Amino acid sequence: GDQVEQSPSALSLHEGTGSALRCNFTTTMRAVQWFRKNSRGSLINLFYLASGTKENGRLKSAFDSKERYSTLHIRDAQLEDSGTYFCAAGSNTNKVVFGTGTRLQVLP
Amino acid sequence: GPKVLQIPSHQIIDMGQMVTLNCDPVSNHLYFYWYKQILGQQMEFLVNFYNGKVMEKSKLFKDQFSVERPDGSYFTLKIQPTALEDSAVYFCASSLGQGDNERLFFGHGTKLSVL
Repeated sequence: GDQVEQSPSALSLHEGTGSALRCNFTTTMRAVQWFRKNSRGSLINLFYLASGTKENGRLKSAFDSKERYSTLHIRDAQLEDSGTYFCAAGSNTNKVVFGTGTRLQVLP
Repeated sequence: GPKVLQIPSHQIIDMGQMVTLNCDPVSNHLYFYWYKQILGQQMEFLVNFYNGKVMEKSKLFKDQFSVERPDGSYFTLKIQPTALEDSAVYFCASSLGQGDNERLFFGHGTKLSVL
C-alpha cells in the first residue's frame, strides 16, 4: 500500500540554525501537507502543496510528485518551533497517509 | 511499523441517522484521538481519550458526538443524529504517551458523507 517515510525521526537544532525534514513516498501522491502538532494535540496545517514550493516566514516546503518526495525547510530556528512535525500525502481523495513524525527540539 | 486501522474507509448515510466510525489503534498505545478534516480545510482536533475517559475536547465535538473504547476493542466515534455539516474525513490516531513531542500514529481516515 501507500507508504510515507519521514526522516529524521528526531532533530535538535540550536537557535538561529536551520535544517530540512523529508518525506519519501512509495507511490505517486496527488498532494502533500505538512503539520505541526501543538500542545493540545491539534495539528496545525503549515502547508498544502500539489506541486512546486511554498514559503511562509522561516518555513519553506517543496513537493515533487514525479520524484516522490517532499521537504520542509526551517531556517533561523526559534525556541517556539519545537514540536512534532508531520507530513501527510494522498494518492486519491479517500486516503491520506501520514509520516511518522519528526520531533524537533530547538536549543538555546 | 505500528499501524492504526480505520473501518470503513468510506461511509454514506442519510442525515439524522446514527453512524459509528471504528478505529483499531496500535496495540500498546494508551492515548487515542479523533480529528476532522472538511474537504479543502485544515485538519481539526476533536477529542482525546485516555483510561476510559475524554481528556479534552474541542468546540467541534458537539453533544451529538461520543467516543468509547469498551474493553480494549475498537476506539469508536459515534454521531447521533448526523447533520450535513458532519460530512468530512475523520482521522483516528493513537500514541503511547502524551506531550508536545509524543509521536502520533494515524489511520488513513474514514470519509463520511451525510446526504
